[in-house]
Amino acid sequence: DQQVKQNSPSLSVQEGRISILNCDYTNSMFDYFLWYKKYPAEGPTFLISISSIKDKNEDGRFTVFLNKSAKHLSLHIVPSQPGDSAVYFCAASLKTSYDKVIFGPGTSLSVIP
Amino acid sequence: GAGVSQTPSNKVTEKGKYVELRCDPISGHTALYWYRQSLGQGPEFLIYFQGTGAADDSGLPNDRFFAVRPEGSVSTLKIQRTERGDSAVYLCASSDGGIGTQYFGPGTRLLVL
Repeated sequence: DQQVKQNSPSLSVQEGRISILNCDYTNSMFDYFLWYKKYPAEGPTFLISISSIKDKNEDGRFTVFLNKSAKHLSLHIVPSQPGDSAVYFCAASLKTSYDKVIFGPGTSLSVIP
Repeated sequence: GAGVSQTPSNKVTEKGKYVELRCDPISGHTALYWYRQSLGQGPEFLIYFQGTGAADDSGLPNDRFFAVRPEGSVSTLKIQRTERGDSAVYLCASSDGGIGTQYFGPGTRLLVL
């Protein structure tokens, strides 16, 4: 039973355009959401996070939007760059256990020069 | 400074054998996490330590899996009587705990023949 879902296994975007990666979750008790990026043969690296009390968080080219009623979040990358090509994982945790992070299956983003 | 390191980077073993995977966290990080990542999936939580004690081991799949962190720094994940289904990348991460960013190592790729 997958609690964090990323229904698009892959996404291709032209350099300079916007990349939108989507994530859905089933557990309404999730309180904290994160995005991680992973290059081949490396561990995931933290990208950006958002608390359930917010609906938007921005960090440079990266913005995460949270829609709690729809149990949906998205990561926007603007403008997309070739170096953004990687696998992106959506993840979530409960207020009672922030340390136990539940990851989605990932979306592989390719930014085409 | 040095990041999270994991040894070995690759491990090939035969079904039924015992393996140990090692994780060296970032110095000073009190929390340490183990995840397992199968092909095409996101990291799956196994266990996390706060100091020397296992604070949450609910992700360990069965009693063949065990992890220790005797001095609150280095951790070892131990797998007894390995099975082919144990083949995966085993990731370790460390943090200051709570919603502190988890920093991942490069992983150990385990192949059980």
